[in-house]
Amino acid sequence: DTAVSQTPKYLVTQMGNDKSIKCEQNLGHDTMYWYKQDSKKFLKIMFSYNNKELIINETVPNRFSPKSPDKAHLNLHINSLELGDSAVYFCASSQARQGGEKLFFGSGTQLSVL
Amino acid sequence: QKEVEQNSGPLSVPEGAIASLNCTYSDRVSQSFFWYRQYSGKSPELIMSIYSNGDKEDGRFTAQLNKASQYVSLLIRDSQPSDSATYLCAAPRGGATNKLIFGTGTLLAVQP
Repeated sequence: DTAVSQTPKYLVTQMGNDKSIKCEQNLGHDTMYWYKQDSKKFLKIMFSYNNKELIINETVPNRFSPKSPDKAHLNLHINSLELGDSAVYFCASSQARQGGEKLFFGSGTQLSVL
Repeated sequence: QKEVEQNSGPLSVPEGAIASLNCTYSDRVSQSFFWYRQYSGKSPELIMSIYSNGDKEDGRFTAQLNKASQYVSLLIRDSQPSDSATYLCAAPRGGATNKLIFGTGTLLAVQP
């Protein structure tokens, strides 16, 4: 009965590889997000989707491509992984489109690029 | 100036003391503020929100907002070791967006 679930929890890969992270929420929320948290704990928004529509793309390299097949799922595909991509990636969801609503976070995916 | 700024800490307080966590913000964020708590290795969870000037209390937690000084704080009374975590201040970026902008977080360590 996990509210926001993302897989995998850990991802270790070589530079140049392509990888995907999957996220699903069962809260019935309309809006989903991807956040990146670096080693200094800085949590930065990457993308936001509302009802499968991309509404925020926060100047992220185009190696990162989000995909939302339906409003309960938001996946993140990363091409040509670089060392600097190593971080924890959090999926989140919220009920309202407008900023400031309560975010429900997944447990995070720790990505390590070697 | 960053949109939301916090002292990274660590802030160390003895058990039972009041922990005071502070956050300043710029004109680029909207006037509603949120405190998230993140335990080590876990995801952030919302613990307090505040929208108007003054204090808002919830159990041992009090959020304070001073719009004139662009300052928001979180007080934790009777601090417990279980309060040890990183506390993230957040606010939505102003305008027609739903971007929640986080500060860099303050690490709180409550010493038994």
